[in-house]
Amino acid sequence: KNQVEQSPQSLIILEGKNCTLQCNYTVSPFSNLRWYKQDTGRGPVSLTIMTFSENTKSNGRYTATLDADTKQSSLHITASQLSDSASYICVVSARAGGYNKLIFGAGTRLAVHP
Amino acid sequence: DTAVSQTPKYLVTQMGNDKSIKCEQNLGHDTMYWYKQDSKKFLKIMFSYNNKELIINETVPNRFSPKSPDKAHLNLHINSLELGDSAVYFCASSQGSGALATTGELFFGEGSRLTVL
Repeated sequence: KNQVEQSPQSLIILEGKNCTLQCNYTVSPFSNLRWYKQDTGRGPVSLTIMTFSENTKSNGRYTATLDADTKQSSLHITASQLSDSASYICVVSARAGGYNKLIFGAGTRLAVHP
Repeated sequence: DTAVSQTPKYLVTQMGNDKSIKCEQNLGHDTMYWYKQDSKKFLKIMFSYNNKELIINETVPNRFSPKSPDKAHLNLHINSLELGDSAVYFCASSQGSGALATTGELFFGEGSRLTVL
């Protein structure tokens, strides 16, 4: 069964600190992996999209890694800011027939405190 | 200059009523989607349309009927609303079609929170 599991479920850190969010998946056949940021009451916004051949990808203070062998990904946030408080959703794309099906994780809720 | 806009943002209604949520994208994308985000925050695909044609229908009850008058619009009509329909509904769009449609970046609207009493 195609699944995406994220950990931790929630996380509290102090402003300026770094943190790493984890994503494990059992999706096959794999197409790509994405990380989205969803602010409270808003729609998800794409941070990174990684294909099978990419090990790491950065978007400002966000760095995503992908290990396709162990089916794990992480999202590292450097020098956190209050505006980083949000849910971070890992999404894995699986090929299904003529299109790619997106399987969403439940997200990690990050709270950055001053 | 909103990319994907959906209305209304909030909708409170009684069980058994019929309601619609509208979505428009000005990105020139070929593919549009409806997602449902439940209380546990999982996002689940409901429908996907490419150039006004239905390409994904994920075992959604017949009470849900998407309508795409053109490739920039994908509206969601819900008949005979039930308590379990309460959720946040997100519209999204992406470039490409078929197998390419969901390899590209998804742009989401702000969501429409439906509460059925």
